[in-house]
Amino acid sequence: DTAVSQTPKYLVTQMGNDKSIKCEQNLGHDTMYWYKQDSKKFLKIMFSYNNKELIINETVPNRFSPKSPDKAHLNLHINSLELGDSAVYFCASSQGDRGNSPLHFGNGTRLTVT
Amino acid sequence: GNSVTQMEGPVTLSEEAFLTINCTYTATGYPSLFWYVQYPGEGLQLLLKATKADDKGSNKGFEATYRKETTSFHLEKGSVQVSDSAVYFCALSPYTGGFKTIFGAGTRLFVKA
Repeated sequence: DTAVSQTPKYLVTQMGNDKSIKCEQNLGHDTMYWYKQDSKKFLKIMFSYNNKELIINETVPNRFSPKSPDKAHLNLHINSLELGDSAVYFCASSQGDRGNSPLHFGNGTRLTVT
Repeated sequence: GNSVTQMEGPVTLSEEAFLTINCTYTATGYPSLFWYVQYPGEGLQLLLKATKADDKGSNKGFEATYRKETTSFHLEKGSVQVSDSAVYFCALSPYTGGFKTIFGAGTRLFVKA
């Protein structure tokens, strides 16, 4: 049973389009995240939600909008896609805000914008 | 601010060689330290962690010791296998406000048979 699952696994689209990525976790965690991994494998946090409340919103363009309908789901909608948005997007979850709680990652969504 | 620096890769080793991947950190207070591993086409998985000074995390033959005096958390394995080929990430999470885990740049390891 997959702990953190995200769909789709691959997303190929053209500039200017709008797309969504969905994420679900069945670990009972109260915190969920979106990370972006670039072509050099560098990981950068984008958003974090705790109990459906936005906790972290890094310097991400307004074209990116996360939505958390409940603690188990965190979706990412991207408007007006640009070439620079091409990356692998990872959803993750953890329990609480204590630093000793590790992150659990999904397998990623590879977004390619042409 | 908090930061993590790990050695650049790629690291290429022969099977059964000794592995060290260096990681140093900058943080206020007492962060938790982690090593994550990413296999091709997959998400990151927790490899090991240590939550206080002098703690040793270990898993699957990998070890790392939380050294506060040198602000380091180096990853070691005595005998690597081809299946260990992956990208390894050192990470830091503040004691409170742990929502913001910070990752190092990752070190790619290739193990040759």
